[in-house]
Amino acid sequence: QSALTQPASVSGSPGQSITISCTGTSGDVGDYNLVSWYQQYPDKAPKLMIYGVTNRPSGVSDRFSGSKSGNAASLTISGLQAEDEADYYCSSYSSSSALNWVFGGGTKLTVL
Amino acid sequence: EVQLVESGGGLVQPGRSLRLSCAASGFTFNDYGIHWVRQAPGKGLEWVSGISYSSGTIDYADSVKGRFTISRDNAKNSLYLQMNSLRSEDTALYYCAKDRKTWYNTGLNDALDMWGQGTMVTVSS
Repeated sequence: QSALTQPASVSGSPGQSITISCTGTSGDVGDYNLVSWYQQYPDKAPKLMIYGVTNRPSGVSDRFSGSKSGNAASLTISGLQAEDEADYYCSSYSSSSALNWVFGGGTKLTVL
Repeated sequence: EVQLVESGGGLVQPGRSLRLSCAASGFTFNDYGIHWVRQAPGKGLEWVSGISYSSGTIDYADSVKGRFTISRDNAKNSLYLQMNSLRSEDTALYYCAKDRKTWYNTGLNDALDMWGQGTMVTVSS
């Protein structure tokens, strides 16, 4: 049940685009299109931003997009806004057991 | 409104037990798998345990296997986590979160789409 690998931090200026990577293995990210991304503000619960690699829940801005290539997934935020400053976590279904979900270590996004 | 409300957290000594609850409302509880995910202070998210809609499939992270027991009461729209032999490393905010897909949706569940606000568990002497 190894965690997925994310950069500890990324930053960008308002209006720019940033990408957060999420690296797994063939037992999770690589084998399944079941990657999701969560946004978390301090002292708040996580909020689902992307599911099934590329899909946005209703109400999530289209500035958020997801992709995957091999064992790595990515979250891209375009037109960066101050309100995007938060922690972001990737997650994937893992084949190691029936209901196992594995998370990345989280990435702190700073809007300069 | 879909809502998950956790309760039962608190300060407990190492080796003791605690039972967490998660009350669900606003959706058909017995159609969804539900999970416990925890977050230690200043740390990332860690999946702890999950249970299918019918309790037919249950799973645990290696870090809690043999010490924690997940269960649900669909008649009461409630999820539980019995935590025994608690350790200092179990100190965390415990969230309950629901599957995005129902049991009758095609394919494996692809995300956890609703989370509660969490209940804090502190294990310390």
